[in-house]
Amino acid sequence: ETGVTQTPRHLVMGMTNKKSLKCEQHLGHNAMYWYKQSAKKPLELMFVYNFKEQTENNSVPSRFSPECPNSSHLFLHLHTLQPEDSALYLCASSQVGGQGYNEQFFGPGTRLTVL
Amino acid sequence: AQRVTQPEKLLSVFKGAPVELKCNYSYSGSPELFWYVQYSRQRLQLLLRHISRESIKGFTADLNKGETSFHLKKPFAQEEDSAMYYCALTGKGGADGLTFGKGTHLIIQP
Repeated sequence: ETGVTQTPRHLVMGMTNKKSLKCEQHLGHNAMYWYKQSAKKPLELMFVYNFKEQTENNSVPSRFSPECPNSSHLFLHLHTLQPEDSALYLCASSQVGGQGYNEQFFGPGTRLTVL
Repeated sequence: AQRVTQPEKLLSVFKGAPVELKCNYSYSGSPELFWYVQYSRQRLQLLLRHISRESIKGFTADLNKGETSFHLKKPFAQEEDSAMYYCALTGKGGADGLTFGKGTHLIIQP
């Protein structure tokens, strides 16, 4: 598989469940990102990892816990979520450093529904 | 705080007509501006960025620092241009992620 992949594509969970979203990039990039896309809000940056180190946490509640074991994989661990956390979660990757900005490549997203 | 504003949620034009999707931003410093597009049942992808001053699929966008705008334009719309368009910005280098607008749904009528 090429580009950025995300699994699962759809997830339904209860408020007491624990689940994880997975993202994998096959582009050799050194930065990965989690975004949240809700129905009535713009795409919101959640977390940024550069060289496996978390460099940004955009005031995200602790019920969302990211993990980046290596530069190709990114996880988002979910626990005790709320119904308002239902959204499309997008993963992206890019190559940062050097001159200028390199574009972010997005995955297809995971559609999360919290009951 | 940095912000991107796209005032039009929906824009409908006829094929062959000019298109302009508006984008205004606020950022303390010199941001890098982008337009991303999402076609039906496809993933979000980069359309163009201001630093490259390129024309992609007939679209252009000029950064106006005085008006803090980065409007997307195309002189003659085509049906395949129908999609969601998102304006976005980041700081230099892009390592701090993207700030997106709410998006504009562009519909090209035949």
